[in-house]
Amino acid sequence: AQTVTQSQPEMSVQEAETVTLSCTYDTSESDYYLFWYKQPPSRQMILVIRQEAYKQQNATENRFSVNFQKAAKSFSLKISDSQLGDAAMYFCAYRGANTGNQFYFGTGTSLTVIP
Amino acid sequence: DAGVIQSPRHEVTEMGQEVTLRCKPISGHNSLFWYRQTMMRGLELLIYFNNNVPIDDSGMPEDRFSAKMPNASFSTLKIQPSEPRDSAVYFCASKRQLTGNEQFFGPGTRLTVL
Repeated sequence: AQTVTQSQPEMSVQEAETVTLSCTYDTSESDYYLFWYKQPPSRQMILVIRQEAYKQQNATENRFSVNFQKAAKSFSLKISDSQLGDAAMYFCAYRGANTGNQFYFGTGTSLTVIP
Repeated sequence: DAGVIQSPRHEVTEMGQEVTLRCKPISGHNSLFWYRQTMMRGLELLIYFNNNVPIDDSGMPEDRFSAKMPNASFSTLKIQPSEPRDSAVYFCASKRQLTGNEQFFGPGTRLTVL
């Protein structure tokens, strides 16, 4: 089965600074999708960004960008110009393109933003 | 769009009681997922449906848990009898089966079993 590993249970960043959250995954598939979800204290799971494995270009959404290293099976999230509202749990997730709809989630990284 | 709707948002019950959690997926989404989130185990997939049919229920912890999807716009997750260790936040999520990539989550139901 596919596994997703987030090795940083907690991270902190100074407001306006940049932080990178790590994620690695294990798969034998060649085509898949990767996601970062944000879960603020409200508990709502919100999609932050997604990456298709067949695309070499790293996905970017405003202040959020990823560093996708397919050979290394690494998918890190960079948050630039951190804001207080970025404080949340961040989950990395994987879905195979050809093996059904099941998503595999990491254990999450709790991000604190220091004013 | 109304998003994924879950009810109730909070449920407090006593051990041994039956609990039913409800989910309405986004209209047009034909894949539906039930997750459980705890501090100890993180986010666990319990079961998911495609076109109202259960595809993988290997995550259902035991026979006390059951899930149904009688139609495309409604699903239930039932725990009978409930136990204190079932206390968790239960999420429902939906996506388009063939063309959708990401899941859209509901707000979750916080269940406390005393």
